[in-house]
Amino acid sequence: DSGVTQTPKHLITATGQRVTLRCSPRSGDLSVYWYQQSLDQGLQFLIQYYNGEERAKGNILERFSAQQFPDLHSELNLSSLELGDSALYFCASSVSGGSYEQYFGPGTRLTVT
Amino acid sequence: DQQVKQNSPSLSVQEGRISILNCDYTNSMFDYFLWYKKYPAEGPTFLISISSIKDKNEDGRFTVFLNKSAKHLSLHIVPSQPGDSAVYFCAASLVYSGAGSYQLTFGKGTKLSVIP
Repeated sequence: DSGVTQTPKHLITATGQRVTLRCSPRSGDLSVYWYQQSLDQGLQFLIQYYNGEERAKGNILERFSAQQFPDLHSELNLSSLELGDSALYFCASSVSGGSYEQYFGPGTRLTVT
Repeated sequence: DQQVKQNSPSLSVQEGRISILNCDYTNSMFDYFLWYKKYPAEGPTFLISISSIKDKNEDGRFTVFLNKSAKHLSLHIVPSQPGDSAVYFCAASLVYSGAGSYQLTFGKGTKLSVIP
């Protein structure tokens, strides 16, 4: 158990809909990262937040957005969903904004039908 | 454009033997490399790492070797155990100065099966 929690574990929704994925980092960790793993792909970095502020952006679509709240939990919002958005979405956390070693949650499996 | 490549999707090894997992990268600016291990229905867990200023790092049964000139790293597991059966991801990082952010770029993973 990494100490990072993600909800929900599974999500099934239709194209065009909007969903919110939630992540709670390890106690004491200030940084949250979001990754997407599509079928047969490595994990793709989406976005990082550090202590409530956006720190880095990766290959995140404009239809996706994220935020980190004062209690340090983070939410990833996915809108106008397409079939290709079906993937595993992982959240990771680290103590600082610059840490190589990230601790991953169990992931949320999103299925868009 | 895949900057971190794991060309072997799977590997089978007998228990007690050595497992060697390989990883190649293209971006010479990467300065830190990591291996993560992933069991089904779980998130990746950090296994071992190596800085670009080193060529070897050892932790128990796990050793990572880095060959910067070849842009290649490998993970050696000796001896392999059935509990090592998992997907192994190679990841690389470079620090963005000023922002202090460490983005990880992952390979697609290699599924290791250790046969009892």
